[in-house]
Amino acid sequence: EPEVTQTPSHQVTQMGQEVILRCVPISNHLYFYWYRQILGQKVEFLVSFYNNEISEKSEIFDDQFSVERPDGSNFTLKIRSTKLEDSAMYFCASSERGQEGNSPLHFGNGTRLTVT
Amino acid sequence: QQQVKQSPQSLIVQKGGISIINCAYENTAFDYFPWYQQFPGKGPALLIAIRPDVSEKKEGRFTISFNKSAKQFSLHIMDSQPGDSATYFCAASDLYGGSQGNLIFGKGTKLSVKP
Repeated sequence: EPEVTQTPSHQVTQMGQEVILRCVPISNHLYFYWYRQILGQKVEFLVSFYNNEISEKSEIFDDQFSVERPDGSNFTLKIRSTKLEDSAMYFCASSERGQEGNSPLHFGNGTRLTVT
Repeated sequence: QQQVKQSPQSLIVQKGGISIINCAYENTAFDYFPWYQQFPGKGPALLIAIRPDVSEKKEGRFTISFNKSAKQFSLHIMDSQPGDSATYFCAASDLYGGSQGNLIFGKGTKLSVKP
């Protein structure tokens, strides 16, 4: 079964540094998402992306964050200047269509970001 | 109003028993209610979902019960098995309002099924 793959599985960075989290969505999917999960807390929506532009974003997704689909297969999340509170598990997800029409989100296994 | 409240935080059930997890929401615009299952080290995986035009949906041992007037929905796992031990998240979304993947998750329930 096709999977959403994320790399790296664990990223350690120093406060103030830039990080790029990478995702390869399922190949025929058109909608892409980033979520995060702070340890022991709920999963939170960050951003959705369709047709090479952001379609929706949460208030968490401030100017420090950006997303990009640099080629036909990768989908990246960049955090420009990391803060301690950015430490979390970041999940990429993709769906074939939007959520209407029973097109579920498929999540990757996440990248654990630790900011020191 | 965007919150989804989930209970209990943790649940221990004997093998063969029924596991019940409850969620409540405030936003009446929500029109899509999925449940996700998450194993340690893995991402959430869709288990079952319901739209508000039905009061119940069953898939195998998993059933969602939906009460629109009370703004509550619950997951029932019949004949619970040790392999069901995982964290379960309810979620909600406003699809008709144009939400594209903005799922509002509950805080999760850690289910342990004892053999």
